[in-house]
Amino acid sequence: AAGVIQSPRHLIKEKRETATLKCYPIPRHDTVYWYQQGPGQDPQFLISFYEKMQSDKGSIPDRFSAQQFSDYHSELNMSSLELGDSALYFCASSLGQGGETQYFGPGTRLLVL
Amino acid sequence: RKEVEQDPGPFNVPEGATVAFNCTYSNSASQSFFWYRQDCRKEPKLLMSVYSSGNEDGRFTAQLNRASQYISLLIRDSKLSDSATYLCVVNRGVTGGGNKLTFGTGTQLKVEL
Repeated sequence: AAGVIQSPRHLIKEKRETATLKCYPIPRHDTVYWYQQGPGQDPQFLISFYEKMQSDKGSIPDRFSAQQFSDYHSELNMSSLELGDSALYFCASSLGQGGETQYFGPGTRLLVL
Repeated sequence: RKEVEQDPGPFNVPEGATVAFNCTYSNSASQSFFWYRQDCRKEPKLLMSVYSSGNEDGRFTAQLNRASQYISLLIRDSKLSDSATYLCVVNRGVTGGGNKLTFGTGTQLKVEL
């Protein structure tokens, strides 16, 4: 079965640069979530979209923005990168937003030097 | 205090042992409950949803006590391949404050020969 696709899988950036992470949800899933997992930490919710509209917002820095497109894929844009942004970024998708199971992609590992 | 608390472990058990993980959550508005499994540097994968009536999937049994805000996971006949971090996860749902997953810090399990 098709899973959540994330690209790139690995990314190395320097401080103050920008990065764009992409997420392609499972086909027919209409809700996308972004999570950040720092080293030795549990995943922290950043932001979510349902039917191309932002549905919830967590601990996402103002330097980050995201959107969901008409084909339901989502992009997380990160600017003015800081060393502390180095983490695993997971995208998850679900069908609906009523507590349905969220399925995670393999993640993008971002390293900021 | 974290919204979802778990004993971080590690739990080192011999193959074939039975092991139990516990989890408590502080937000009574939580509506959905899950156990996810995460292997090192990989994405969280759904192990099972947790229901008040309790549910079983092969060697895994999960229980939810809403009154005590307590969730458990029992693994019987442990296999080497069960070695991973087990994440207790709650979702408040759209009406409870947002359809985002809140993770516990995870309990690390190591099954040994």
